[in-house]
Amino acid sequence: DTGVSQDPRHKITKRGQNVTFRCDPISEHNRLYWYRQTLGQGPEFLTYFQNEAQLEKSRLLSDRFSAERPKGSFSTLEIQRTEQGDSAMYLCASTLGGVEKLFFGSGTQLSVL
Amino acid sequence: AQRVTQPEKLLSVFKGAPVELKCNYSYSGSPELFWYVQYSRQRLQLLLRHISRESIKGFTADLNKGETSFHLKKPFAQEEDSAMYYCALGGITGGGNKLTFGTGTQLKVEL
Repeated sequence: DTGVSQDPRHKITKRGQNVTFRCDPISEHNRLYWYRQTLGQGPEFLTYFQNEAQLEKSRLLSDRFSAERPKGSFSTLEIQRTEQGDSAMYLCASTLGGVEKLFFGSGTQLSVL
Repeated sequence: AQRVTQPEKLLSVFKGAPVELKCNYSYSGSPELFWYVQYSRQRLQLLLRHISRESIKGFTADLNKGETSFHLKKPFAQEEDSAMYYCALGGITGGGNKLTFGTGTQLKVEL
């Protein structure tokens, strides 16, 4: 499968712990997006990269969230000091060029106890 | 600010009946509108985009700038159309661009 890959698929953690998710985009795609989705809601934009540069970050995103894309390939999303409100599906998507067609991964389901 | 409204959380129709999934948007610039679909246990994927003016799996959507709408339509629903449908709005903000999604409509096609 040469699509967008996310790891892990599921993560259960205790409140206050740090977690890190990984996304491997489609190899030639230069743009990578992170979205968050909670039950009954659509995907909510978190941040995006063009190559290794983080070009936009949602104002709703707490300082506890940080994302990187070293060398413009895979990306990591870290949440520090997790809270129960962070429980959600975290989706990664990639594309070549603009938003005309985003390719989504299967997501990482985070549960904070 | 970009905003997408999908008023129906669930739409249930019988097989063979027409389908219309509603989407309204709010955007000050020139909008790019999309419909994404998520079938059971599958990834979110692009269904169609307004700029292509194409029909995919029998679905069409017309951008109505006057009514700020982008409703998704299909004349005859099929069982395999049952899925979650998200309307999405693209736009350029702060030097980049992103998609803003609506809350989604679950389409259930009954036999």
